[in-house]
Amino acid sequence: DTGVSQDPRHKITKRGQNVTFRCDPISEHNRLYWYRQTLGQGPEFLTYFQNEAQLEKSRLLSDRFSAERPKGSFSTLEIQRTEQGDSAMYLCASSLVWGGRATDTQYFGPGTRLTVL
Amino acid sequence: AQKITQTQPGMFVQEKEAVTLDCTYDTSDQSYGLFWYKQPSSGEMIFLIYQGSYDEQNATEGRYSLNFQKARKSANLVISASQLGDSAMYFCAMREGKQAGTALIFGKGTTLSVSS
Repeated sequence: DTGVSQDPRHKITKRGQNVTFRCDPISEHNRLYWYRQTLGQGPEFLTYFQNEAQLEKSRLLSDRFSAERPKGSFSTLEIQRTEQGDSAMYLCASSLVWGGRATDTQYFGPGTRLTVL
Repeated sequence: AQKITQTQPGMFVQEKEAVTLDCTYDTSDQSYGLFWYKQPSSGEMIFLIYQGSYDEQNATEGRYSLNFQKARKSANLVISASQLGDSAMYFCAMREGKQAGTALIFGKGTTLSVSS
């Protein structure tokens, strides 16, 4: 079983540019999550999908952010008109949830570190 | 609102000693899940251990155990026989909501340094 992968691992961009990140979950995992982590803090939830449906969005996910999971496999997170405050590590995780199983462990990818100049 | 509190910004321990990392949580739900993750300097979050609110026994996974005290709303991580490779950031997290598979909320983390 390969783990969660994310691409790119690092991204440097200028303020105002658009960026897109990709996440490939563990195969057969039906849930996919995006988190953001700033320096010295724990991850903060952004959004999650069950298959291709986006089930929940955090208020942190401003209008400049959009996430998709078109075929229920990989997901993309796009940030439009980046701002310096968007500089953070963007983490993707996946889990398998079925029949109300309570042990819903989320497995994380290596993250994409975004720097906005 | 649900909340995770980790009061120890940094902990220091010598190799082969045991160490306890503190975590308290706040929730009004009866059903919840608690998790510990390790984050080395490389950045990847590594799952360590899980405790469900209805689990009567404390969870254990190898050298990791979770000291779950429900009445005190604490879920401390105990690492036995520390190794140099245990040096990392450790996060306590709670499933937000009663149902499986919802978002996690994290504490601010504790940095563990293991010396030889």
